[in-house]
Formats: sequence, C-alpha cells, structure tokens
Amino acid sequence: DAGVIQSPRHEVTEMGQEVTLRCKPISGHDYLFWYRQTMMRGLELLIYFNNNVPIDDSGMPEDRFSAKMPNASFSTLKIQPSEPRDSAVYFCASSPDRVMGYTFGSGTRLTVV
Amino acid sequence: DQQVKQNSPSLSVQEGRISILNCDYTNSMFDYFLWYKKYPAEGPTFLISISSIKDKNEDGRFTVFLNKSAKHLSLHIVPSQPGDSAVYFCAARPYSGGGADGLTFGKGTHLIIQP
Repeated sequence: DAGVIQSPRHEVTEMGQEVTLRCKPISGHDYLFWYRQTMMRGLELLIYFNNNVPIDDSGMPEDRFSAKMPNASFSTLKIQPSEPRDSAVYFCASSPDRVMGYTFGSGTRLTVV
Repeated sequence: DQQVKQNSPSLSVQEGRISILNCDYTNSMFDYFLWYKKYPAEGPTFLISISSIKDKNEDGRFTVFLNKSAKHLSLHIVPSQPGDSAVYFCAARPYSGGGADGLTFGKGTHLIIQP
C-alpha cells in the first residue's frame, strides 16, 4: 500500500495565479479530508468527503477555495486566485470510517509570492 | 476559539526518562481522542487513541490518560527514546450521534529527547 499520495510536494506561485493540489487516498478508504497547517492556526480542517460527496466545507476560508472528488481515487483542492496568506502546508488524509485514525499524506508546501 | 489546546509548544526530556505531553479541550461534545506524531517534511502519523468510555489506554511505551471531568488528556512515553523526538498533536472528535466527522487538532508540542 503506497499510502496517501499528494502532489506536488512543493509549489511556488505568484499571487493571482490558480493553484491545484492533488490527492490520491488509500484504496477502500471512504473518507477524505483536506487540512491546512500554518504556524498561527495549526492544523485546520478545510473540507471532508464521504464516498466522494462533500459533507462539511465550513472550514474552507473563502470562495477562492474549492475542492472536488470526481471519483474514489482522486481529489483536488483549488485556489483561484491565490494570495500570499494562502501560503501553508496542505495535507490530505483518508480513513476507512469515522472511528479509525486518519492516514495523512506527506503534504504540499505552498508558497505564494 | 481553540477547542483543543496544547499549552506547551516544546518539551525537552532526557533519554530514558518519562515524557508527559498534555492536552486540554473545551468542547464537551468530544468523545474520542487521538494523538499523532509528526516528523519534519512528513504528514502526521496516528499513534494512539482513547474513547470517552475509558480513562486509560496503553500501547507499548505509550499510554494515554483521559480525565473527562477536567477535560484533560495526557500522553506518557516511557522510556523516552531519541526517535521519539517529533511534534505531537492532540486531536478530538465529537460525539458520534452528531457533529462533523473531522478531527479538531491542537497546535502541537515539539518533544526533544536529549541524549
């Protein structure tokens, strides 16, 4: 099992550009979560999916952020347009159910200049 | 408003001694608690968990204690080893009958094991 796979590992972009982060969850995991880590706020839940359906997106900071899960093996988090304050590490995690602990990917470090 | 608080940003412990990491929570709807460990440039990895129906859970060198009345939990590592040096996150999940499925995390405690 390759675990949760995120790409890219690092992304540097200019303010105003569109950024797309990608995640492949562990096969068979029904839950997928997107988290953002910053020094000020720690790990924040942005959105999560259950069986490819978005369940709670109350953590998405603004309309500039959107997430999709077109199938059980792929999810994207898009920021358009990006701003310097979006600079953070973005983690994707998956879980087989709501009881088990999550498995996190290695994260995408986003820098918006 | 932080619902899960880890008040010690860092903790230094000598190798072989006990490490105690603390966590407080404010939301009485939380009923399941987890600890994660994170190395630099990696994602957090699940370490140990405890349900609110228990007050202790043990797994090898790691023991988690839960004090519901005080809304406090702690992670004990004994004996501490150099490989335990990492950032430890406390996380909580609300009551299974309602609320979001997402975990709420504390900001983490950086544990440093001194040789």
